[in-house]
Amino acid sequence: NAGVTQTPKFRVLKTGQSMTLLCAQDMNHEYMYWYRQDPGMGLRLIHYSVGEGTTAKGEVPDGYNVSRLKKQNFLLGLESAAPSQTSVYFCASSDAPDVYEQYFGPGTRLTVT
Amino acid sequence: DQQVKQNSPSLSVQEGRISILNCDYTNSMFDYFLWYKKYPAEGPTFLISISSIKDKNEDGRFTVFLNKSAKHLSLHIVPSQPGDSAVYFCAATSGGYQKVTFGTGTKLQVIP
Repeated sequence: NAGVTQTPKFRVLKTGQSMTLLCAQDMNHEYMYWYRQDPGMGLRLIHYSVGEGTTAKGEVPDGYNVSRLKKQNFLLGLESAAPSQTSVYFCASSDAPDVYEQYFGPGTRLTVT
Repeated sequence: DQQVKQNSPSLSVQEGRISILNCDYTNSMFDYFLWYKKYPAEGPTFLISISSIKDKNEDGRFTVFLNKSAKHLSLHIVPSQPGDSAVYFCAATSGGYQKVTFGTGTKLQVIP
C-alpha cells in the first residue's frame, strides 16, 4: 500500500514551458487536493476534486489546470510556467466529506527560471 | 489575511521536557482543528485533531487544547523525544473538506 505518490520529485522549468504533475493514490479515496507550500505561507489549496470527473478551484488556482479522469489519479498542469510558480507542490487525498484528515504525498519541488 | 497563525517559527526543547506549540485563529466559523507533522523531504502527516465541541483531546504523548473564547489552540508533547523534531502545522476548517486552512508552521527541535 503506497498511499499517495507524486511524480516527478524534482523539476526545473524555463519560463513559458509547460508540464504536468501526477498524483496517484491507492486508498480508493474520493477526494483529492493539490497544495503549494511557499516559505512563510503555509500550504495553500490550488484545486481539488470531490470525485472522478470533477474538479474545483481552491484558494490560488490561477495559472494551473487539473484533471481527474480516473479516481486514483489527479493531474496538475502548468501551461506556461512563471517564476512565481516556483514552489513545493503537495498532493493529498481524503476518504469522505466529514473526515478531515488528509493523506499527503511526498511533494514535488519545482523551480521555474 | 492569515486566518490561522503560528507566531513562533521555531522552538527548541530539551529531550524529556514538554513542548508547547501554539496556534491562533481569527475565523469564528472554524469548528474543527488539526495538527500535522512534517519531516524534511516528506509530506505532512496527520497527528491529532479536535472538534470545537471539546476543549481537550489526547493521543499518547500528544494533547491538543482548544480555547474557543481566545481563538487559541495548543499542542503539548510530553515527554519530547528527538524523533519529534519536525515542522508542525496547525490547520482549521469550517465544515468543508475543501476549506482546510493551514498555518505557516513551527519548526520544533528536540535536543538530546
